[in-house]
Amino acid sequence: QKEVEQNSGPLSVPEGAIASLNCTYSDRVSQSFFWYRQYSGKSPELIMSIYSNGDKEDGRFTAQLNKASQYVSLLIRDSQPSDSATYLCAQTGGGATNKLIFGTGTLLAVQP
Amino acid sequence: GAVVSQHPSRVICKSGTSVKIECRSLDFQATTMFWYRQFPKKSLMLMATSNEGSKATYEQGVEKDKFLINHASLTLSTLTVTSAHPEDSSFYICSASGGGGPNQPQHFGDGTRLSIL
Repeated sequence: QKEVEQNSGPLSVPEGAIASLNCTYSDRVSQSFFWYRQYSGKSPELIMSIYSNGDKEDGRFTAQLNKASQYVSLLIRDSQPSDSATYLCAQTGGGATNKLIFGTGTLLAVQP
Repeated sequence: GAVVSQHPSRVICKSGTSVKIECRSLDFQATTMFWYRQFPKKSLMLMATSNEGSKATYEQGVEKDKFLINHASLTLSTLTVTSAHPEDSSFYICSASGGGGPNQPQHFGDGTRLSIL
């Protein structure tokens, strides 16, 4: 059974701080990882994708992938109250399709 | 780019009604579309994977005769919840991918909130 695990939170950080969201996965074959943000009552929105070991930065967001440790993380710098949402980690399930396996999500609360 | 339109956004109907939900990729061709349902405070549950011109692949435990999926073109997939009952009330979300292998992300529609009375 392929699994993606996340701490459900809530993770509470003060405005302006760095929020660190973590995810572990069991399927070593998977090569593609994604972070989605989901506001309450809304559908997921793609934040970042990462395929290679190391860091990938996009604005205030940095994704980190460590395949040896089967670990992927998302850092949000200068956190804003508008970043408050559930963050879903996902990996492709392997094979030719890009069927995703989602974690249960981490609820982030940025306190003003 | 990569806009996925889903409608209706909300449906309220009586038990026994069949409900059709449409998912359209507006600015790209979606070789694969996915249908999810999500209960409150839970993660997304994949229901089925839909490839243009072929039968959908349903996840274990999802009744294919209950949830009919049609992917007739590269920009449109539909999910029909047949003879819906209150336990089918949920948030249904579609996503689409332009193909190109597992590195291609899925892009989500805005979801349909289905309430069966």
